[in-house]
Amino acid sequence: EVQLVQSGAEVKKPGESLRISCKGSGYSFTNYWISWVRQMPGKGLEWMGRIDPSDSYTNYNPSFQGHVTISADQSITTAYLQWNSLKASDTAMYYCARLLDTVAGDYWGQGTLVTVSS
Amino acid sequence: QSVLTQPPSASGTPGQRVTISCSGSRSNIGSNFVNWYQHVPGTAPRLLIYNNNRRPSGVPDRFSGSKSGTSASLAISGLQSEDEADYYCAAWDDSLNGYEVFGGGTKLTVL
Repeated sequence: EVQLVQSGAEVKKPGESLRISCKGSGYSFTNYWISWVRQMPGKGLEWMGRIDPSDSYTNYNPSFQGHVTISADQSITTAYLQWNSLKASDTAMYYCARLLDTVAGDYWGQGTLVTVSS
Repeated sequence: QSVLTQPPSASGTPGQRVTISCSGSRSNIGSNFVNWYQHVPGTAPRLLIYNNNRRPSGVPDRFSGSKSGTSASLAISGLQSEDEADYYCAAWDDSLNGYEVFGGGTKLTVL
């Protein structure tokens, strides 16, 4: 069974760093890209970027480029989304998704709620 | 402001057929496949349609997708109460270095 299991909810202060994770199982991790999607409170879905776990090649939405880093560790079949300096506006639910044909999210994680507040 | 444009809301009664539109441009829908997602708040999004009109296994054939030029649509026939959710279209956009763009979402209400 294909599963993506994300790390738990986080509460952080502005300026702090954070890394959340997405562990894939039940399939060949390096054969499918992984994307990250944001949903701010009361808003729609926003594509942040994707990574090819086989070589760590990434694409980013220009709106997120430079503010987040997407990475992956093949050895533990886990993808990551990282911030070096959080802002209150980063408060959101974050989903990872396995990509079918490199763009269509066919399996999704359960979501990680990130709250940034002073 | 989303790159892809969807109506904010749609509604129908059980058994009806509803369609949701998605309008884009030459750099996204006009050049690439369209995917559709169903999202019930508090749960993970679900892929309904990929590559314009293909259904993943497990998605009922009540859901269908189509594309023409720079627009796409999702049709749901035999509407059921459990179809009440938010629906999003998405497509790859070739501008800049390329990235995926979503529509703003359509909230479907089953009356």
